[in-house]
Amino acid sequence: DAKTTQPPSMDCAEGRAANLPCNHSTISGNEYVYWYRQIHSQGPQYIIHGLKNNETNEMASLIITEDRKSSTLILPHATLRDTAVYYCIVRVHPSSNTGKLIFGQGTTLQVKP
Amino acid sequence: NAGVTQTPKFQVLKTGQSMTLQCAQDMNHEYMSWYRQDPGMGLRLIHYSVGAGITDQGEVPNGYNVSRSTTEDFPLRLLSAAPSQTSVYFCASSYGLGTSESDTQYFGPGTRLTVL
Repeated sequence: DAKTTQPPSMDCAEGRAANLPCNHSTISGNEYVYWYRQIHSQGPQYIIHGLKNNETNEMASLIITEDRKSSTLILPHATLRDTAVYYCIVRVHPSSNTGKLIFGQGTTLQVKP
Repeated sequence: NAGVTQTPKFQVLKTGQSMTLQCAQDMNHEYMSWYRQDPGMGLRLIHYSVGAGITDQGEVPNGYNVSRSTTEDFPLRLLSAAPSQTSVYFCASSYGLGTSESDTQYFGPGTRLTVL
């Protein structure tokens, strides 16, 4: 699975959009981009995933560049409850391996009042 | 649905003791797995199962055993606890491996284990 690079930390004002970048320059054509987050002391939570098209759900939007070497997770109106570590994960689908999710260090997002 | 449940939430063991961490899901998921998370680090896969009766090792399986007799349950056994196994343990499940949607994993709340 391709490696990802994320900034270690970011701040965001409550009510503003939080834009979390992820670099995955070695991504292969059959690899998807997944985003999970982990709120303090809780289990990771799935947010969104995509292959090459932009995706949106009730939690967030995912913008993938045309060359697929980077992506941005957008939380449109961040709240204090969005303070968490956000993980960008790249992996193959359909998965014929262990189903393992490789969690890197992620980005710690601090939403401030 | 309760989702993925784990018991106990906290546990303290002495070196050499054995115990079983319980994991259950009520979503009829085929795939279940165990991860451990050490302070300030990402999750590492211990064991996984793609269905009842089928288990396999992840990247850090030593010192742990698993079994999958039912679709719902996937217990993790520590055979002889060591201080290096002090960690937070997460169980996860998904519908299976095959499509990007089915592979979305749901995590339990975790078990915080301390081995003295």
